[in-house]
Amino acid sequence: QLVLTQSPSASASLGASVKLTCTLSSGHSSYAIAWHQQQPEKGPRYLMKLNSDGSHSKGDGIPDRFSGSSSGAERYLTISSLQSEDEADYYCQTWGTGIQGVFGGGTKLTVL
Amino acid sequence: EVQLVESGGGLVQPGRSLRLSCAASGFTFDDYAMHWVRQAPGKGLEWVSGISWNSGSIGYADSVKGRFTISRDNAKNSLYLQMNSLRAEDTALYYCAKGSKKRVVSNLYDYWGQGTLVTVSS
Repeated sequence: QLVLTQSPSASASLGASVKLTCTLSSGHSSYAIAWHQQQPEKGPRYLMKLNSDGSHSKGDGIPDRFSGSSSGAERYLTISSLQSEDEADYYCQTWGTGIQGVFGGGTKLTVL
Repeated sequence: EVQLVESGGGLVQPGRSLRLSCAASGFTFDDYAMHWVRQAPGKGLEWVSGISWNSGSIGYADSVKGRFTISRDNAKNSLYLQMNSLRAEDTALYYCAKGSKKRVVSNLYDYWGQGTLVTVSS
């Protein structure tokens, strides 16, 4: 079964960097994922597509501070030079061969 | 500019029905799959239903199968979700989301609406 696992929370200081992790279930380590950001009281926003080889393509207007990388079944979102507006929930998403979408549980990022 | 605007949410009693709409603009609507994703209060995102560009492929989460029906009208650039036999656990913000690749059934979502709130309560 295709499942995405995320840590519930993370924190980092203003101006620092943080690396969030999304883990694909066993047997699905070749899958691409997408990262989405949801700021408080707002709808989600697409950040990037991240492939198993670490290559990624970002959505419209996404700053260079956001980058992605991969290792095995792990997919990472790194945010550098953290700003207050980066405090948000971050969700990974993937898909199988059918139309069903799959989301991770989300990581709540606190900027200290 | 891609825009997705949901409407039709509201307060409804358990067992009743509601129809959500999503008006799309800024892209060729009939080239892309569309989806409904919901978020219960204080919870994460949950995929609810999706429909391919030509309505040839449709899917539902197990939690709504048999109660919800997704449809689209490509002439009106609109997506719909008919929700019947509503339950308290269907209370959520409902978002519509656009598939990212032309004429591909499954993929990531590259644009989202702002959501419409459905509250099921007596």
